[in-house]
Formats: sequence, structure tokens, C-alpha cells
Amino acid sequence: EPEVTQTPSHQVTQMGQEVILRCVPISNHLYFYWYRQILGQKVEFLVSFYNNEISEKSEIFDDQFSVERPDGSNFTLKIRSTKLEDSAMYFCASSPGQVFSYEQYFGPGTRLTVT
Amino acid sequence: KQEVTQIPAALSVPEGENLVLNCSFTDSAIYNLQWFRQDPGKGLTSLLLIQSSQREQTSGRLNASLDKSSGRSTLYIAASQPGDSATYLCAVRGYGNKLVFGAGTILRVKS
Repeated sequence: EPEVTQTPSHQVTQMGQEVILRCVPISNHLYFYWYRQILGQKVEFLVSFYNNEISEKSEIFDDQFSVERPDGSNFTLKIRSTKLEDSAMYFCASSPGQVFSYEQYFGPGTRLTVT
Repeated sequence: KQEVTQIPAALSVPEGENLVLNCSFTDSAIYNLQWFRQDPGKGLTSLLLIQSSQREQTSGRLNASLDKSSGRSTLYIAASQPGDSATYLCAVRGYGNKLVFGAGTILRVKS
């Protein structure tokens, strides 16, 4: 069964460094998402991406963050100048299309630790 | 702003019991609702998706219901097993693309 994959599974970085989290969505899906979950807190929406542009973003998704689909398969989240409070599990998700009834499929997550 | 609440926060039951997890949301203008399972330190596994026009969905021992007008959903787990131990998350999708999640119910099934 097709699945969303994410790399790395765990990333440790120093405060102020840039990190890139990578995702490979399910191959025929058109909508891509990033969510994050700070330890002990709810899963929070960051951004959605469709047709090579951001379709929606939350207040959390400020200028520190950016997303890109550099090729036909990868979807990346870049965090510039990481802060301690960026430590969280980051989940990528994808869905088949623009219809809002479609299910979102989540990857296993990347645990980001900022020291 | 949509808010999703899940009750109880934690639940411990003996193996074999049937149980109900509750989810409520403040804005009834939703497209669908998803129930997820999350094992410790792991990703989110989608269990059931209920469209706004549906009343319930079933998958194996799981049955999810939706009452959109009252802003409630329940996840019923029949004949619980120790392998069902996990955190169960409810998420609603309103206008736009994002899912809004509840804090989850931590379930422990004792053998």
C-alpha cells in the first residue's frame, strides 16, 4: 500500500542552524501538508501546498519557514535559524486532490531536536 | 475558530471490554472528520474518515459516528485488545485545507 515517507527520522541541530525536513508524498496525490506536534501538545497545522504554491498557512508558519517541491517526488520544509521552541515532531501529509472530502495520509514524522 | 475536545483524556480498561471515545467540535461547518491512532513516538495512522453527509463508518472492530449538528463524534471499539493501546486522535476538516486536532485520548487495555 502506498505511504508517505519522511527523512530523517530524527534530526538534532544547534540553535540558529538551518534544517531541511524531507517528505515523499504518495505518488498521485496533489495536496501536501506539514503539521507539527510539540511534545505533550496537540498536532498543529503549519501549511498546505498545491500546484507549486502555498494554499493555506497558519500563524506559526512565519518567515522562518518555507516549503518547496524541488522535483516531482519530494516535498521539503526548511526552517531557517532554528530556535529551541522549534523542537517538535514534524509530520508530512498528502491527499489525492482538491476535494475537501479527501482523506489525509500522514508520514511517520521527523523528530527535530534543537539544542 | 474551530476547537476540538476529546473526552476522556485517558482510559484504562480490561481486555475484552467495549469502549467509547468522545470528540466534540465547536464549529459544525465541517467537510469531514478523521479518527487517527498514534503509538508513542510514532506517526498518525488513519483509522476512519467520516464525510459530513454520513452518520457512521465501520472498519473491523471500530465504528465511528458523527452528529454534525451537535458537533459530536464517537469512536466505538468492540472487544478491546492490548494491541489497541495507543493514543486516539480526532481531527476535523472545515473550510480550507487544514485538519484541526483534539488532544487525544490515551487508551490502555490491560491483559
